[in-house]
Amino acid sequence: GAGVSQTPSNKVTEKGKYVELRCDPISGHTALYWYRQSLGQGPEFLIYFQGTGAADDSGLPNDRFFAVRPEGSVSTLKIQRTERGDSAVYLCASSRDREAEAFFGQGTRLTVV
Amino acid sequence: AQTVTQSQPEMSVQEAETVTLSCTYDTSESNYYLFWYKQPPSRQMILVIRQEAYKQQNATENRFSVNFQKAAKSFSLKISDSQLGDTAMYFCAFMKPGGSEKLVFGKGTKLTVNP
Repeated sequence: GAGVSQTPSNKVTEKGKYVELRCDPISGHTALYWYRQSLGQGPEFLIYFQGTGAADDSGLPNDRFFAVRPEGSVSTLKIQRTERGDSAVYLCASSRDREAEAFFGQGTRLTVV
Repeated sequence: AQTVTQSQPEMSVQEAETVTLSCTYDTSESNYYLFWYKQPPSRQMILVIRQEAYKQQNATENRFSVNFQKAAKSFSLKISDSQLGDTAMYFCAFMKPGGSEKLVFGKGTKLTVNP
C-alpha cells in the first residue's frame, strides 16, 4: 500500500486478555517504530526494529509487552494480561533508512475494560 | 535524557491570521533534529517541518516556518495565513541521530482555527 497500515483501527478487550496489534510498513522501509500515545499526551517510544531485529526495546514498559518483525516487513505488537492502564493509541511508523522521514500509520486505539 | 516542553496546551487563531506555537527542549547533544508534527482527528501524525541543528538557517515549508534558537533551546512554529484545515494537535519532537533515532515528543498544543 501507499502508506503505513495498522489493524485493527480500534480494539476493545477485557482486562487480563491477550491482544495483538499489526503494522504494515511502507514497502522497502527497513526501520519500524512502535509508539504509545496515552490520552492528552504525546507519543512515547516503545520499540525500534531495523530489519528483523529489535535494535532498541528500551521503551517497552514491562515484560507483558513484546513485538516481532519476523520477515523484516510486517510487525506485531503483543500485549499479554492486558490492564486498564494499557488503554491508549498505539502508533506505528516506518522510514526508508537512517535519518529519513518517518511515516506514521493511523494507529490502533486499544481500550481495556 | 532529552525532554521536550510545549507550554501552550491550547491555542486559537482566526482564519487568515498568523499564530506561533512554542517549544523548548533540553539536551546535551550538539547535533540533533527537531520536528513539528500535525495530528488531526484521524490520529495520523503528519510531518510539518524539520530542522537540523547544525543548520543556522530556519526551515520553511510554504505557510509554515520555524524560529530555531539553538542557544536558548527554543524551536517555535509559525503558521501564516491560517486555514481551517490547520485545526489539529501539533507536537514538537526531538531526535538524536545515530542509535535508534527515536522521536521524543512534547505533550502537544491543540490549535483551533476559527472562521
